[in-house]
Amino acid sequence: KNQVEQSPQSLIILEGKNCTLQCNYTVSPFSNLRWYKQDTGRGPVSLTIMTFSENTKSNGRYTATLDADTKQSSLHITASQLSDSASYICVVRHLYNNAGNMLTFGGGTRLMVKP
Amino acid sequence: GAGVSQSPSNKVTEKGKDVELRCDPISGHTALYWYRQSLGQGLEFLIYFQGNSAPDKSGLPSDRFSAERTGGSVSTLTIQRTQQEDSAVYLCASSLGQDLPTGELFFGEGSRLTVL
Repeated sequence: KNQVEQSPQSLIILEGKNCTLQCNYTVSPFSNLRWYKQDTGRGPVSLTIMTFSENTKSNGRYTATLDADTKQSSLHITASQLSDSASYICVVRHLYNNAGNMLTFGGGTRLMVKP
Repeated sequence: GAGVSQSPSNKVTEKGKDVELRCDPISGHTALYWYRQSLGQGLEFLIYFQGNSAPDKSGLPSDRFSAERTGGSVSTLTIQRTQQEDSAVYLCASSLGQDLPTGELFFGEGSRLTVL
């Protein structure tokens, strides 16, 4: 069964600190992995996409890593800001499945940044 | 509009009533998805429309749920005889199409349904 597990479920950090969110998946074969940010009361917004051949990708203060061998990804947030408070969702796409369930969603990590 | 638009943003209904949730995708996006997000849970796939193909309804939890997409654009998700366990946020997303495997999903802000 295709699964995406995220950890921790929730995290509280102080403003200015760094943090790392984890995503482990069993989806195989794998096409790509996206990290989405979901602010409270809003829809998720894509932060970055990782394909099979990519190991690291940055988007401002967000850096995603991917190890396709161990089926793990991480999202590192540097110098956190209050506006980083949100849920971060890892989404993995199956390589050959073009049906509606082509995407498997993780349960998300709820991050709270405190002043 | 430039983004995915959903309405209503909030809906409170009594158990047993029918509700309709509307999604207006980004113009030109051929793929449209409905997901359900319960408190603290991951997104649950409900139904997927791609162009003129038959929709993938494999995620609909019961026959009380149905959806249609008219003219390849606006979609309506209908829940009949609502139950308390239907309470959740219903998210709609659109993308350029399944032929773009890296295609990004663009989400609406969701419709929060509360069944009393």
